[in-house]
Amino acid sequence: QKEVEQNSGPLSVPEGAIASLNCTYSDRGSQSFFWYRQYSGKSPELIMSIYSNGDKEDGRFTAQLNKASQYVSLLIRDSQPSDSATYLCAVTVTGGGNKLTFGTGTQLKVEL
Amino acid sequence: DTGVSQDPRHKITKRGQNVTFRCDPISEHNRLYWYRQTLGQGPEFLTYFQNEAQLEKSRLLSDRFSAERPKGSFSTLEIQRTEQGDSAMYLCASSHQNSGLYNEQFFGPGTRLTVL
Repeated sequence: QKEVEQNSGPLSVPEGAIASLNCTYSDRGSQSFFWYRQYSGKSPELIMSIYSNGDKEDGRFTAQLNKASQYVSLLIRDSQPSDSATYLCAVTVTGGGNKLTFGTGTQLKVEL
Repeated sequence: DTGVSQDPRHKITKRGQNVTFRCDPISEHNRLYWYRQTLGQGPEFLTYFQNEAQLEKSRLLSDRFSAERPKGSFSTLEIQRTEQGDSAMYLCASSHQNSGLYNEQFFGPGTRLTVL
């Protein structure tokens, strides 16, 4: 079992719709959770961080964490073509030396 | 520009050659990380420094790889006797020890290595 799992996609949504990206993790010692956006050929860009159960909103982005079910999700409201990218879920584990463990990413396509 | 910088951005080398990459973290960040990313995969942790101390190395990191951060500022990653399987994007990230539970890491633009 992979430590961090994501559906590779592609996930296609129409412009203006809500995109929902999901991530599950296996280590119950996971402490902090991150969503990075990565455009093709570029490096990951941090867009959201969360460590408490519940929702955290920042602009059009909402991160949701459920530690009991071991999943974290990212909602993108009013999706724009510029949101088309690969979204990487990453976690840090208690005692894991602060390193990030990434999923393989979900490719999002926002269609006009 | 106050972000993480990496040099070079691209490197093409022949198998068996040595290569060295440099990373300059965000100025007030004392933690520095190296990751490697291949096509279709998420970044994979290689090693991590807090100030000048190398605190963790991935078990996947062969002895051909070595990293340094001699003065706790910039870091170098050297790959000796490169192999075609070393072709990847090498990413550097930095964070600050006092950033709390989040320990948010910010990535540089990466160095793309191609081994022929």
